[in-house]
Amino acid sequence: SQQGEEDPQALSIQEGENATMNCSYKTSINNLQWYRQNSGRGLVHLILIRSNEREKHSGRLRVTLDTSKKSSSLLITASRAADTASYFCATAQNPIRNFVFGPGTRLSVLP
Amino acid sequence: GAGVSQSPRYKVAKRGQDVALRCDPISGHVSLFWYQQALGQGPEFLTYFQNEAQLDKSGLPSDRFFAERPEGSVSTLKIQRTQQEDSAVYLCASSLARLSGFNQPQHFGDGTRLSIL
Repeated sequence: SQQGEEDPQALSIQEGENATMNCSYKTSINNLQWYRQNSGRGLVHLILIRSNEREKHSGRLRVTLDTSKKSSSLLITASRAADTASYFCATAQNPIRNFVFGPGTRLSVLP
Repeated sequence: GAGVSQSPRYKVAKRGQDVALRCDPISGHVSLFWYQQALGQGPEFLTYFQNEAQLDKSGLPSDRFFAERPEGSVSTLKIQRTQQEDSAVYLCASSLARLSGFNQPQHFGDGTRLSIL
């Protein structure tokens, strides 16, 4: 069974708007990572946030982590059509045993 | 220099045949991972190598699945006596991580799309 669950399953927005995706998980984690996947391609790493961190930024991306609620969010600001992709969160459990991906959020950014 | 390379990109096989999927990780990457991704789903962990040692194979669905990385570089995922439920995209990823493969970003190949007829 998959530990991470993204919400929403699908999101459609206009170019220039912000997109927020959420991820919930069940057990204690070592770190949480967000990946993007374009159709027919492999996953691309976006951000890794460790369990002792609360927020990280990378360009137009902002990730937060709330370990008390076992949840994370990915914010993409000023979205572009090129941001259209599926976004996955993945958790490394603590102690680290394996790596579990959620089912993903499909983001469509309309020009 | 290049990213993770997987071959073939597409593989069609008849039920019962054996298949072999190849992964060339990024040079110098110690950790290597295999995932299975069904249509519309997230990747599911299959197995993990650190150099040539297979440290975790808990995700392999059955004993028909076998992975190896004999020289700590190229890896092969072999599926024997394929079944229709084996149809999926098989993704390979590599990482610089040494102590634990899951505390560093993973770099993915574009996958092999396997179709079992």
